[in-house]
Amino acid sequence: ETGVTQSPTHLIKTRGQQVTLRCSSQSGHNTVSWYQQALGQGPQFIFQYYREEENGRGNFPPRFSGLQFPNYSSELNVNALELDDSALYLCASSLVGVVHGYTFGSGTRLTVV
Amino acid sequence: ELKVEQNPLFLSMQEGKNYTIYCNYSTTSDRLYWYRQDPGKSLESLFVLLSNGAVKQEGRLMASLDTKARLSTLHITAAVHDLSATYFCAVDSTGANSKLTFGKGITLSVRP
Repeated sequence: ETGVTQSPTHLIKTRGQQVTLRCSSQSGHNTVSWYQQALGQGPQFIFQYYREEENGRGNFPPRFSGLQFPNYSSELNVNALELDDSALYLCASSLVGVVHGYTFGSGTRLTVV
Repeated sequence: ELKVEQNPLFLSMQEGKNYTIYCNYSTTSDRLYWYRQDPGKSLESLFVLLSNGAVKQEGRLMASLDTKARLSTLHITAAVHDLSATYFCAVDSTGANSKLTFGKGITLSVRP
């Protein structure tokens, strides 16, 4: 059983640029959620994808967007990067209808300069 | 809007002593998770509590859930240095669109 894999692990971008982060869900899981964790804070829910559609969204602007693919992997795209977007981005996979928890990936550390 | 509060935010613990940390949440939920995070690392799942009165133990850590009081506690027995980390509780929203709402975390530091 493979866990959740995120890439890249670290990334440095310039303000105004665009970035794509990737996540491969755990085998057997069909739902992917993305979280943003700023330094010293708890993770904040960005959005969730199920059956390739957005299935709930947190308080994030539209420049945060995502995709889910038929193999349940997912991308998080952020346009027009701002300095405050610097954070650890965590992907979590789960299985709809089965309450046994979320599996988190190791995260992508994004720094916007 | 669901709010999750953890207290204290920082706890300095002496090796060998017992401590309890708390997680309060604002709306009805019967799914609560505890995670551990080491500096610069991702979240490690510790406990999943799925019903009122649930109690789970792993090593020196024991977590419990009181859904009526909207309170979870994490009890630490005989603290050791390896327990130094930040601990988050997270509450799962009920309904079709599940998501986790996290507290701000409690940073535990165990001193000799």
